[in-house]
Amino acid sequence: EPEVTQTPSHQVTQMGQEVILRCVPISNHLYFYWYRQILGQKVEFLVSFYNNEISEKSEIFDDQFSVERPDGSNFTLKIRSTKLEDSAMYFCASSEAAGGYNEQFFGPGTRLTVL
Amino acid sequence: DQQVKQNSPSLSVQEGRISILNCDYTNSMFDYFLWYKKYPAEGPTFLISISSIKDKNEDGRFTVFLNKSAKHLSLHIVPSQPGDSAVYFCAASHNAGNMLTFGGGTRLMVKP
Repeated sequence: EPEVTQTPSHQVTQMGQEVILRCVPISNHLYFYWYRQILGQKVEFLVSFYNNEISEKSEIFDDQFSVERPDGSNFTLKIRSTKLEDSAMYFCASSEAAGGYNEQFFGPGTRLTVL
Repeated sequence: DQQVKQNSPSLSVQEGRISILNCDYTNSMFDYFLWYKKYPAEGPTFLISISSIKDKNEDGRFTVFLNKSAKHLSLHIVPSQPGDSAVYFCAASHNAGNMLTFGGGTRLMVKP
């Protein structure tokens, strides 16, 4: 069964460093998403991406964040200068079509720890 | 931001009995609701969904009920099995956008 994969599973970084989280969405999916879950809190939407453009983003997704689809398979989330409060699980998701009614398939997540 | 709320952080049920997980929302623009299940060290997995034009959707042991006037939905699992033990998230969306707004989750424990 096709699945979304994410690497690394755990990333530890120093405050102020740049990190890139990587995702491989399901191959025939066209819409890609990043969510995050700070420990003990809700899963929060960060950004959605389609046709090499951001289609929607939340208030959390500020100038420190960027997304890219550098090739036909990878989808990345970059945090330019990490802060302690960026420590969270980051989930990538993908879907075949647009709209919240289209099932979004989630990856296993990357745990980001900022020291 | 409390647009989607799950007021019960945990629920314990005996195997074979019914599990009822509840979810409330405040945003009238939501027109699609989903339940996701999450095991430790895994991402959320889609379970079942319902459109706002319906009041019930059933899939095997899982049924979701929607009460639009009360802005309330519930997930029923009958009969509950130990393998159902997980965190269940309610999520909502509106057709105009792709983002899912999640509730805080309810940890279900099904005891053998």
